[in-house]
Amino acid sequence: RKEVEQDPGPFNVPEGATVAFNCTYSNSASQSFFWYRQDCRKEPKLLMSVYSSGNEDGRFTAQLNRASQYISLLIRDSKLSDSATYLCVVEPGGKLQFGAGTQVVVTP
Amino acid sequence: DVKVTQSSRYLVKRTGEKVFLECVQDMDHENMFWYRQDPGLGLRLIYFSYDVKMKEKGDIPEGYSVSREKKERFSLILESASTNQTSMYLCASSLFAQAEQYFGPGTRLTVT
Repeated sequence: RKEVEQDPGPFNVPEGATVAFNCTYSNSASQSFFWYRQDCRKEPKLLMSVYSSGNEDGRFTAQLNRASQYISLLIRDSKLSDSATYLCVVEPGGKLQFGAGTQVVVTP
Repeated sequence: DVKVTQSSRYLVKRTGEKVFLECVQDMDHENMFWYRQDPGLGLRLIYFSYDVKMKEKGDIPEGYSVSREKKERFSLILESASTNQTSMYLCASSLFAQAEQYFGPGTRLTVT
């Protein structure tokens, strides 16, 4: 079983709609969680950290569910510029593990 | 702003050649990482370094070596390039091992 699993998508989302997707992790001892965004043929960039209490940054909301071992990302009022691959990142013991990513395509 | 730079954006090498990929960060980060990224496989850790002259194997170190002689610079070496090393190579740095990582723009290496 992979340490970090994501639905590869694509999630096709009309502009202005809400999209949400999860990422599951296998190591219950994980302490740090992040969402990264990666545009086509570019490097991953930190989108947001995920805290136990959940956190929000503008149209983006991240949640952590330790009991079920998943983190989620919700994007409200999707923009065309939100089209990207979103990488889930978990720290299961000293170094970060990256998921393979969920592709989001926002359509006009 | 953290800046991580990589020596080349695109590189084409022949099978058997020795390849050097260089990475430089300007934020005095202790930790530096080398990943490769392939479609469907995500980011896979090759090597990382938590201090000058220190290195640790990641998940796929075979066929690669690294060098960290200065804190800001981390080099990835392919001793004898093979076609299955064709990939996107990404360097990253972080303040400590569990912290968020900052990536360079990547080097797309093609081995023919």
